[in-house]
Amino acid sequence: GQQVMQIPQYQHVQEGEDFTTYCNSSTTLSNIQWYKQRPGGHPVFLIQLVKSGEVKKQKRLTFQFGEAKKNSSLHITATQTTDVGTYFCAGPSNTGKLIFGQGTTLQVKP
Amino acid sequence: DSGVTQTPKHLITATGQRVTLRCSPRSGDLSVYWYQQSLDQGLQFLIQYYNGEERAKGNILERFSAQQFPDLHSELNLSSLELGDSALYFCASSVGGSGFYNEQFFGPGTRLTVL
Repeated sequence: GQQVMQIPQYQHVQEGEDFTTYCNSSTTLSNIQWYKQRPGGHPVFLIQLVKSGEVKKQKRLTFQFGEAKKNSSLHITATQTTDVGTYFCAGPSNTGKLIFGQGTTLQVKP
Repeated sequence: DSGVTQTPKHLITATGQRVTLRCSPRSGDLSVYWYQQSLDQGLQFLIQYYNGEERAKGNILERFSAQQFPDLHSELNLSSLELGDSALYFCASSVGGSGFYNEQFFGPGTRLTVL
């Protein structure tokens, strides 16, 4: 069936280093959403990308949607300890459901 | 605070039992979604209701059922519980009925432990 895969599963970085997580879909997506879940918390919506090749920025976070609309990435510049958490991408299935990737858990060493 | 409330926060029960999880969506949101999050399965979509009607169904077990009431709150019923049902159950809500185009607001979750 339709899958949304994320890599890496875990990433440890030193504070100030950059971080990137990649999301790949087995099918073309109409849109993709990104969520962040802090340890012990609930997922929080970050952004939605809709257009092919779209790039959106939120302060130190840069989100990209691939030209073929089958992949996406989230890049964090100069990580801070507040960036710790699990980042999920999510895309629609062909039956209208939102399929979440397995998530990338980011640890930041101060 | 997302505006979505879930009760109870924690639930500990025994195998074979039945429990009910409750969710109140954000004011004005018509859709309610239920997700199961476990360590090995990630965030799994269970079911969506929109304005009282079932809108989409995920990999929800037959032992599980849900409904949305006229005041838009929702309940997830889990019966004949097994050890493997232990997980964090999230409710989310959105304004519209499209689960993949609308931003979803998640509640704090209910942690279910089956002993």
